[in-house]
Amino acid sequence: NAGVTQTPKFQVLKTGQSMTLQCAQDMNHNSMYWYRQDPGMGLRLIYYSASEGTTDKGEVPNGYNVSRLNKREFSLRLESAAPSQTSVYFCASTLTGGVYGYTFGSGTRLTVV
Amino acid sequence: KQEVTQIPAALSVPEGENLVLNCSFTDSAIYNLQWFRQDPGKGLTSLLLIQSSQREQTSGRLNASLDKSSGRSTLYIAASQPGDSATYLCAVTGDSGYALNFGKGTSLLVTP
Repeated sequence: NAGVTQTPKFQVLKTGQSMTLQCAQDMNHNSMYWYRQDPGMGLRLIYYSASEGTTDKGEVPNGYNVSRLNKREFSLRLESAAPSQTSVYFCASTLTGGVYGYTFGSGTRLTVV
Repeated sequence: KQEVTQIPAALSVPEGENLVLNCSFTDSAIYNLQWFRQDPGKGLTSLLLIQSSQREQTSGRLNASLDKSSGRSTLYIAASQPGDSATYLCAVTGDSGYALNFGKGTSLLVTP
């Protein structure tokens, strides 16, 4: 019962480098989300996928792209990393409409130098 | 835009005390409300989920209430223990793909 799995757990990037954060869930959930968590700012929604084949912007999408690869996997890509993207990134999933609650991954701690 | 506020931002209590954490939200048109616990450097653990039609949920020493009309929820922790020390987050389900809107959390310290 893995739930939501995020890789990698830690990453250090240089400014301008690119990388993809991976997220996979094994609960047959329809909706998936990417959040970032910063001190004093709380968790903010970056992008979400309400169902397979759809993606939409959240509150803070600039500098990111996403791909809903299939029902299980939802990746977040930083094309040209900036120090302002230093944060902890969380992936979450829910069945539909959050009726049964949301499950979060353990997070990716990203530092951009 | 839904705004979620948690008061207090930080709380320190001696072991054994009962305590209440508060959460308020500006738009009462929510689908549900979820309380999470986050330990330092860790992910989010779901504690309680309250549907918009419910008034409260209980799990062990935790009780969460919801008053949708007034935009408020409380998390009651009975007989607090040092192991309860963590940050508690309140989140409501909004209408953007049912994404969660989070408060900034209450950092709880229970001292022996």
